[in-house]
Amino acid sequence: EAGVTQFPSHSVIEKGQTVTLRCDPISGHDNLYWYRRVMGKEIKFLLHFVKESKQDESGMPNNRFLAERTGGTYSTLKVQPAELEDSGVYFCASSRGGGNSYNEQFFGPGTRLTVL
Amino acid sequence: AQSVSQHNHHVILSEAASLELGCNYSYGGTVNLFWYVQYPGQHLQLLLKYFSGDPLVKGIKGFEAEFIKSKFSFNLRKPSVQWSDTAEYFCAVSRRTGFQKLVFGTGTRLLVSP
Repeated sequence: EAGVTQFPSHSVIEKGQTVTLRCDPISGHDNLYWYRRVMGKEIKFLLHFVKESKQDESGMPNNRFLAERTGGTYSTLKVQPAELEDSGVYFCASSRGGGNSYNEQFFGPGTRLTVL
Repeated sequence: AQSVSQHNHHVILSEAASLELGCNYSYGGTVNLFWYVQYPGQHLQLLLKYFSGDPLVKGIKGFEAEFIKSKFSFNLRKPSVQWSDTAEYFCAVSRRTGFQKLVFGTGTRLLVSP
């Protein structure tokens, strides 16, 4: 089966511009997660979708970040307006749904965002 | 709040040397524990995981990790590393139930010289 895909792989934008990142999870995976790694620091959770619903968005840094998952398939993460501190690698992960048992999260390759 | 501490940021070893990467976590509840690995140019992938039972877990490529509850630790080990083990290794924790977001450590870059 195809893995998690992310687009674009790299994005370089200027401060104040808007960028939209896309994640396509593994087909059939209800859970979709966004994470971010700022250079030299840990990978940090941003938010979690179950199908099209936001289950946990406690990691979203501020209201410049907007995540959507229309129809419960792919997801987009928009940053508007982008600031210098938004630079980093944005990872998407997906997992099967259901129950309280842990389902392995499969990660995409990440999108490297550079804000100048 | 949950947190994960990885003690070594960079490790350099020669082939055949033994490896131990430290990981300690802080959380006031029952957790699942993971080691993820990112090889150069590749995705993050799961190396091994601990949910319950035998605290010594074995993963892919000869890696193992031991959960020591009293020390809140989950150290990764491999008796003899290979050049192909050069990668970045991440320890992570999630709650056992409910929202299962992963909380990661800062990662350890391992360089194995041939």
